[in-house]
Amino acid sequence: DSGVTQTPKHLITATGQRVTLRCSPRSGDLSVYWYQQSLDQGLQFLIQYYNGEERAKGNILERFSAQQFPDLHSELNLSSLELGDSALYFCASSGSESNEKLFFGSGTQLSVL
Amino acid sequence: AQKITQTQPGMFVQEKEAVTLDCTYDTSDPSYGLFWYKQPSSGEMIFLIYQGSYDQQNATEGRYSLNFQKARKSANLVISASQLGDSAMYFCAMREGRVGQFYFGTGTSLTVIP
Repeated sequence: DSGVTQTPKHLITATGQRVTLRCSPRSGDLSVYWYQQSLDQGLQFLIQYYNGEERAKGNILERFSAQQFPDLHSELNLSSLELGDSALYFCASSGSESNEKLFFGSGTQLSVL
Repeated sequence: AQKITQTQPGMFVQEKEAVTLDCTYDTSDPSYGLFWYKQPSSGEMIFLIYQGSYDQQNATEGRYSLNFQKARKSANLVISASQLGDSAMYFCAMREGRVGQFYFGTGTSLTVIP
């Protein structure tokens, strides 16, 4: 158990809909990261938050948004969903030092039908 | 330029043999960390091994070792005595400085043949 909790584990929805993915980081970790992994694809970095503030942005679509709350949990909002958004979405957390590894949640498998 | 490059999309190895998965990185930050993760077919991401930029010795964790060649900017993963359960996707990653983001390579799919 990595200590990172992601909900829900599976999500099936229709095109045009909006969903929210939730992540609770490991206790004490201030950084939260979101990644998208499409079928047979590598990990695409979406966004990073550090202690409530956006720290780095990757290939995140304008239809997607995220935030980190004062209790450090994070939410990834995906709107106007398209078939191509179907993917495994990972949340991960880490400490602040360069030698601290990334702890991954079990992921949310999103299927857009 | 890519921060992390993994040039082997797929690799095969005979059971009980050793295998090396290649990874090169690009950074101008003197402080960085290098990581390897394993992703089996079940989907979870499993941390394998870490190497710091200032570490003098190559990292080892059981059957995993990291061949760190700083001047060549390479951080190859060596798996000794391969097992069927090693069949998975392997990702190399780098973190620059403190509070930095993690950069991942495209991964290498390893298949262990009985």
